Amino acid sequence: DAKTTQPPSMDCAEGRAANLPCNHSTISGNEYVYWYRQIHSQGPQYIIHGLKNNETNEMASLIITEDRKSSTLILPHATLRDTAVYYCIVSHQGGSEKLVFGKGMKLTVNP
Amino acid sequence: KAGVTQTPRYLIKTRGQQVTLSCSPISGHRSVSWYQQTPGQGLQFLFEYFSETQRNKGNFPGRFSGRQFSNSRSEMNVSTLELGDSALYLCASSRGDGNNEQFFGPGTRLTVL
Repeated sequence: DAKTTQPPSMDCAEGRAANLPCNHSTISGNEYVYWYRQIHSQGPQYIIHGLKNNETNEMASLIITEDRKSSTLILPHATLRDTAVYYCIVSHQGGSEKLVFGKGMKLTVNP
Repeated sequence: KAGVTQTPRYLIKTRGQQVTLSCSPISGHRSVSWYQQTPGQGLQFLFEYFSETQRNKGNFPGRFSGRQFSNSRSEMNVSTLELGDSALYLCASSRGDGNNEQFFGPGTRLTVL
């Protein structure tokens, strides 16, 4: 699976938008971009995924660049409960299900 | 609907013992994946089961094994425990259609003394 690169940490003010970057320059044409997060002492939580179009759901928006080499997860109005480690993962769809987690990025939302 | 449940939540064993962890997936989900999380190695994929068959396997020694039952519940077993097996073991369930939208349980915290 292609590897991703994320900054190790980021701070954000409560109520502001949090823009979490991810580089995946070696992504192949049929690999999707997934975002998961892990709040302390809990199992990871699925957030969103996309192939090449921008995606939005009740939790976040995913913006994928046209060349698909990078993406940004946007939390429109960050709250203290959004403090977590965020993982950007690229993976094929179809067949077996396997997520290859990197180190992720610690987002701290400050009051 | 009920989420993924894992039992036990905490476990203490000694070196050389074996342990069995259990995972009950979300109703209707047919795929169960297992992951190990340690501070040093992060989250690592152990294996995935779908329809009672191991469909994918990570890079772990044969001491780590698993199985899935006809009701999709899964167990993983670690034999001849080593200190380095101390970790949070996470189970994730999904529909199994390959879309990688996995739902994780709270994990079992294993401590090997």
